[in-house]
Amino acid sequence: QQQVKQSPQSLIVQKGGISIINCAYENTAFDYFPWYQQFPGKGPALLIAIRPDVSEKKEGRFTISFNKSAKQFSLHIMDSQPGDSATYFCAASRGNYGQNFVFGPGTRLSVLP
Amino acid sequence: DAGVTQSPTHLIKTRGQQVTLRCSPKSGHDTVSWYQQALGQGPQFIFQYYEEEERQRGNFPDRFSGHQFPNYSSELNVNALLLGDSALYLCASSPTRTGWDTGELFFGEGSRLTVL
Repeated sequence: QQQVKQSPQSLIVQKGGISIINCAYENTAFDYFPWYQQFPGKGPALLIAIRPDVSEKKEGRFTISFNKSAKQFSLHIMDSQPGDSATYFCAASRGNYGQNFVFGPGTRLSVLP
Repeated sequence: DAGVTQSPTHLIKTRGQQVTLRCSPKSGHDTVSWYQQALGQGPQFIFQYYEEEERQRGNFPDRFSGHQFPNYSSELNVNALLLGDSALYLCASSPTRTGWDTGELFFGEGSRLTVL
């Protein structure tokens, strides 16, 4: 019930295309859903996050879509660029004292020039 | 403004040895979490420290222990190292406002531990 599933494992997109990564969770107590971007040799960096009271959040080229009833959320990267090539992790947490994050296994995105 | 800093960046140990990893949180952050990231996997929560106490713990054995100092910096100790402990160990800090976590985690670049 603590698991967060993520797909696809890897993704190749042409420059200018749309990258879509999907995640699903089981624990309905989760109330915070961030996406992290990680470049090789670096720690994960927060990209965008959403709480379940909204169905969509957009920041620049990045959009999170959230489906509370299906317990699914996805990351859309519009106009994908070679600089977006990285590993993306979805995560979920429960906001309270001592919250911890449950991460998905990651998606390796390659954007071809 | 310095972000989360970790040391050492790389280290090699042999089975059975002990290791200590160090973390300084981002300025203004008082909560420190530790994560283990095996190669090709997502980070896994080890534990979190707040006000110098372990506030929550993931599914890791007692060989993994930690400490938080009054200046909010933290250490992760792993005893009796196993080959399977080889991983990137990530420290993350977050601010706590009015008693509730904001939900943001800021990660350091990690300490890469190799156990031979």
